[in-house]
Amino acid sequence: EDQVTQSPEALRLQEGESSSLNCSYTVSGLRGLFWYRQDPGKGPEFLFTLYSAGEEKEKERLKATLTKKESFLHITAPKPEDSATYLCAVQAGGATNKLIFGTGTLLAVQP
Amino acid sequence: DVKVTQSSRYLVKRTGEKVFLECVQDMDHENMFWYRQDPGLGLRLIYFSYDVKMKEKGDIPEGYSVSREKKERFSLILESASTNQTSMYLCASSPGTGVFEQYFGPGTRLTVT
Repeated sequence: EDQVTQSPEALRLQEGESSSLNCSYTVSGLRGLFWYRQDPGKGPEFLFTLYSAGEEKEKERLKATLTKKESFLHITAPKPEDSATYLCAVQAGGATNKLIFGTGTLLAVQP
Repeated sequence: DVKVTQSSRYLVKRTGEKVFLECVQDMDHENMFWYRQDPGLGLRLIYFSYDVKMKEKGDIPEGYSVSREKKERFSLILESASTNQTSMYLCASSPGTGVFEQYFGPGTRLTVT
């Protein structure tokens, strides 16, 4: 069964304290892995798409990487405005456009 | 920018009522999706549509139906609302076939009393 697991469930950082969020997956033929940011009471906001192992994408303080079994979202020198839930999703093999989501990591960055 | 809008941000309905949630996207996307999001369970796919008048069941379709009469509009219908359908409902769209990110609306917080 296709599955996405995110860890940790929650992470509290001091402003400027870099860290990483993990997304491990087991799918039959990965076609793409997606990272989203979700603020409380709002819809997820798209951040990155990764297609193959070894690929990296960056946006401001965020950097996403992908291996054959997992993806990391590295947050460098975070600010309080980076506080949010970060969701990972995968698109598995086949013709479907469905995404399988993890349950997210709730990040809190304290000033 | 892709824009996905949902008809209501907050909705309160009584048990047994028929509920309509509407979603509109302005980017001519072929695919549209309805999810519900509950604490600890993440996003779960209810139904999706890859073309006008086409629909497919997601992982939790029971108690729901959908309608897609126009390309830009995808409606979720709760035939007879129940308290276990209290949730955040999220609509999303994506272009064509292939590997594409989904773009989400702001969500509707539905409470069934």
